[in-house]
Amino acid sequence: EMQLVESGGGLVQPGGSLRLSCAASGFTFSTYSMNWVRQTPGKGLEWLSYISSSSLAIYYADSVKGRFTISRDNARNSLYLQMNNLRDEDTAVYYCARQRGNQDFDWWGQGTLVTVSS
Amino acid sequence: EIVMTQSPAILSVSPGDTVTLSCRASQSLSINLAWYQQRPGQAPRLLIYGAFTRATGISARFSGSGSGTEFTLTISSLQSEDFAVYYCQQYNKWPPWTFGQGTKVEIK
Repeated sequence: EMQLVESGGGLVQPGGSLRLSCAASGFTFSTYSMNWVRQTPGKGLEWLSYISSSSLAIYYADSVKGRFTISRDNARNSLYLQMNNLRDEDTAVYYCARQRGNQDFDWWGQGTLVTVSS
Repeated sequence: EIVMTQSPAILSVSPGDTVTLSCRASQSLSINLAWYQQRPGQAPRLLIYGAFTRATGISARFSGSGSGTEFTLTISSLQSEDFAVYYCQQYNKWPPWTFGQGTKVEIK
């Protein structure tokens, strides 16, 4: 069974850092592009970052560019998001999502909650 | 950036009804559009891709149509598990991949 399991969320003060992880299983992780998408409380979905299967292509939303870093370890079937200089508005549930080609997101994790507050 | 606009924001309907949700793009997408369902407390789930192709395991009660800038998701014979929020997402021009703000289908 395919699974994506996020971890690493929690409460952090403004200006702080967190590293999110996403453990993949049940499919050949190394052949898929992966993404991070967040959802603010009661709001919609915001794409944050993309990494190609080989890590050769990486993209970020303007809202996180320069503060967040996406990476992956295909040997460990894991995706990561290093989040620095966190702001109140980064408070959200963060999802990792598998992407088919560069198209739709066909499998999502259950999400991990990040709360930025003093 | 392509802006996706969904309407209405909320639909109040009864079980057994048929509903149509709309999604409009700020520029042409061809058919590079997906629909997702998000039930309360759950992650989004892919319903439709390529504007009209149902994802694996998705009921035939869900159908997508449209091309260019205007798209619709139709849900027939609404069942209790269909009351959820539905999002459209474009993948014609990226980055960024962009989502609509969602339509909540609630019980009348």
